Amino acid sequence: EAAVTQSPRSKVAVTGGKVTLSCHQTNNHDYMYWYRQDTGHGLRLIHYSYVADSTEKGDIPDGYKASRPSQENFSLILELASLSQTAVYFCASSDARTVSYEQYFGPGTRLTVL
Amino acid sequence: QQQVRQSPQSLTVWEGETAILNCSYEDSTFNYFPWYQQFPGEGPALLISISSVSDKKEDGRFTIFFNKREKKLSLHITDSQPGDSATYFCAARKGSNYQLIWGSGTKLIIKP
Repeated sequence: EAAVTQSPRSKVAVTGGKVTLSCHQTNNHDYMYWYRQDTGHGLRLIHYSYVADSTEKGDIPDGYKASRPSQENFSLILELASLSQTAVYFCASSDARTVSYEQYFGPGTRLTVL
Repeated sequence: QQQVRQSPQSLTVWEGETAILNCSYEDSTFNYFPWYQQFPGEGPALLISISSVSDKKEDGRFTIFFNKREKKLSLHITDSQPGDSATYFCAARKGSNYQLIWGSGTKLIIKP
């Protein structure tokens, strides 16, 4: 069965510190995505990637970097974490070969920046 | 600018009743509308979807009604069960574009 895993599941970071969130998928999917979820805002796209070694900016990329070293792995990097980046972060993958582009989500990472 | 709007923000219905969740959009070029279901502590998962060439899509107790002219759609959950308690997201997509535009969600509570 398709699987997207994220690590860590929760993290407390200090303001100005560096944070790396990791995502791994075993779906053999081309596309991978990073979203953040805040109450009342639904899901907002931060970065995405459609091939290894390439990343693209989503709707809210400021303050975030992404890295896709392989088809299976996609990381989100906060170089200088800020209070406003406290949120739940979801990774997802989808198959460009299907009509639906159904997105499969990981369980999320709850990030708290103090 | 929020291109996909959902209402109500939260909804409580009794077990066995029909829950109706609403969604509207602005971009007439959107042609695919998935609904995702999210339980607390989990990521969203695809529940049911509809393309703009259809006006209705049914899957068991879940039905999407789509009105292209009014740019509105609704998700009906009949015979609601406590296990249906979750947050439901309406999303929209253009053509073969990978990107989904997400609504802000409706939190559904089913009272036994």
